[in-house]
Amino acid sequence: GAVVSQHPSWVICKSGTSVKIECRSLDFQATTMFWYRQFPKQSLMLMATSNEGSKATYEQGVEKDKFLINHASLTLSTLTVTSAHPEDSSFYICSARGTSAVAGGYTFGSGTRLTVV
Amino acid sequence: QKEVEQNSGPLSVPEGAIASLNCTYSDRGSQSFFWYRQYSGKSPELIMSIYSNGDKEDGRFTAQLNKASQYVSLLIRDSQPSDSATYLCAVVSGGYQKVTFGIGTKLQVIP
Repeated sequence: GAVVSQHPSWVICKSGTSVKIECRSLDFQATTMFWYRQFPKQSLMLMATSNEGSKATYEQGVEKDKFLINHASLTLSTLTVTSAHPEDSSFYICSARGTSAVAGGYTFGSGTRLTVV
Repeated sequence: QKEVEQNSGPLSVPEGAIASLNCTYSDRGSQSFFWYRQYSGKSPELIMSIYSNGDKEDGRFTAQLNKASQYVSLLIRDSQPSDSATYLCAVVSGGYQKVTFGIGTKLQVIP
């Protein structure tokens, strides 16, 4: 089945620093990548959608200059949280959609727990 | 109005009973519907997908879709303690076919 590898699974960083999260599709080509954020006891909130080779489309209220998304290839997308603050501490999850429908067409990464201190 | 609505629960059922989880959505043009299970601190895992009106059964799980009522449900038969988790309803709509999640219903199966 389709697998999306997400790294790191958890990271602790200091305020003001940047953190990069990677998602790789291991056995399929991810034409579209969705990035979500989930705060405790809340649902997954879509942050942005990116198509390979194009600029990401950000949801309302998500700062594109703070959350940099790169989807340069069909197997790799990255989310960089720049100048991180404690309120950015959250669970970040990617979801990839490929050219064929597997697992409903959307495969989730395992998530990254970010803690900003 | 939220795009995808679920009762956050918790929904408590005894072991062996049927758990019924419900979800409503606002976009009539929605095309695909999914139920995900999420354990605390973990990523969601797909349980069921449904695309057309009616029932779809897979083992102990049955998904039901009624597009006229904009309603989708998940039934879990013979509930087990291991089914205790948060169940997320997800709806696909729009040109980008983005997935919108409900807040999730926390299910507790009591041994």
